[in-house]
Amino acid sequence: NAGVTQTPKFRILKIGQSMTLQCAQDMNHNYMYWYRQDPGMGLKLIYYSVGAGITDKGEVPNGYNVSRSTTEDFPLRLELAAPSQTSVYFCASSAQGVGNTEAFFGQGTRLTVV
Amino acid sequence: QQPVQSPQAVILREGEDAVINCSSSKALYSVHWYRQKHGEAPVFLMILLKGGEQKGHEKISASFNEKKQQSSLYLTASQLSYSGTYFCGTVPFSGAGSYQLTFGKGTKLSVIP
Repeated sequence: NAGVTQTPKFRILKIGQSMTLQCAQDMNHNYMYWYRQDPGMGLKLIYYSVGAGITDKGEVPNGYNVSRSTTEDFPLRLELAAPSQTSVYFCASSAQGVGNTEAFFGQGTRLTVV
Repeated sequence: QQPVQSPQAVILREGEDAVINCSSSKALYSVHWYRQKHGEAPVFLMILLKGGEQKGHEKISASFNEKKQQSSLYLTASQLSYSGTYFCGTVPFSGAGSYQLTFGKGTKLSVIP
């Protein structure tokens, strides 16, 4: 099993550019999440989804958008990139709500905005 | 609200023990523990669901004091492979269906020979 796969692994964007971070999981998980990790700050939830067609904001959603058209895929869109969005982005999934079960993380996308 | 972890960093010699603490101001349904090595994804260690329940495997265990909203991770007879940053993640008492896993800032553990 591949688990949670993120692409690309690294990306450099210029200020004002847009891009989509891809996330796919092959575990048939309903719950999927996007986190960003800044040095010394832990992981912050950007958006989450509880199933295809259902998404909602997390703690730090400004500047991002998501969609969930299939169970497997949960892309994160950055519009008008800003230096503050320089971070490592992790996608995760869980079979149920995280109250009862573990989250599986992808390997991350390191994004630099210059 | 982000849970508070302590200490922020700890250096151990192989074979020594360590305790990492995690506390929250919210009523909690569960606590997760993850370990992240440099440049890698966080990896799940364990989840604690009940007050006072202790879980673990091999030489890593944890406890959850539901009344105090505190959890502790115990690493005994540390090995070089234990090095990394440990994160606690808390789930508020909104039930099993919660999406809301909130992470602390992490504790950097370094094990030296």
